Amino acid sequence: SQQGEEDPQALSIQEGENATMNCSYKTSINNLQWYRQNSGRGLVHLILIRSNEREKHSGRLRVTLDTSKKSSSLLITASRAADTASYFCATVYTGGGNKLTFGTGTQLKVEL
Amino acid sequence: EPEVTQTPSHQVTQMGQEVILRCVPISNHLYFYWYRQILGQKVEFLVSFYNNEISEKSEIFDDQFSVERPDGSNFTLKIRSTKLEDSAMYFCASSANDLNTEAFFGQGTRLTVV
Repeated sequence: SQQGEEDPQALSIQEGENATMNCSYKTSINNLQWYRQNSGRGLVHLILIRSNEREKHSGRLRVTLDTSKKSSSLLITASRAADTASYFCATVYTGGGNKLTFGTGTQLKVEL
Repeated sequence: EPEVTQTPSHQVTQMGQEVILRCVPISNHLYFYWYRQILGQKVEFLVSFYNNEISEKSEIFDDQFSVERPDGSNFTLKIRSTKLEDSAMYFCASSANDLNTEAFFGQGTRLTVV
């Protein structure tokens, strides 16, 4: 099935450290989007990266995409306690219709 | 900043009852979606809506579900006869164009069927 998988499932780091989360997917994509979800809350859009892009930045966020490996990574630099949340990748598959297919998510905990 | 708003934030209903979940998408967006997230599981696509009709739906979106854009601003999801397994967080989303642009999600409605 066309499902994204993130790893690690859970990540605990100290404030100020960098956090890296990875996402793998199975077939060709149009784009990949990263979302954050605070506990029990809505999904906040972070970054969209298209299949012809390799890297994008937004503030402390850096997303890479390797279509040959069918994988993406999200790097949060200089993490803060407020970054504590679940992070999801979601893909728009080529020929898969106009819908997002979400991964399983990484639970990030940033400790003071 | 424009946002997608959903009401109510929580809804408790008895099995077999009808519920309507409401959403106000971002005003200049053209595509609207419903997703759901059962506790502890992935976010799942339910339905997409464009040009006043359903453009795509998942296997989950059976005859018990319907969507409507009654007045040009609201976008609703109706579940005709709720089941226990419909308990989930339901998210509305909208995008300016198709999903080659960002999708913006609301805060969700937590539906509990008892």
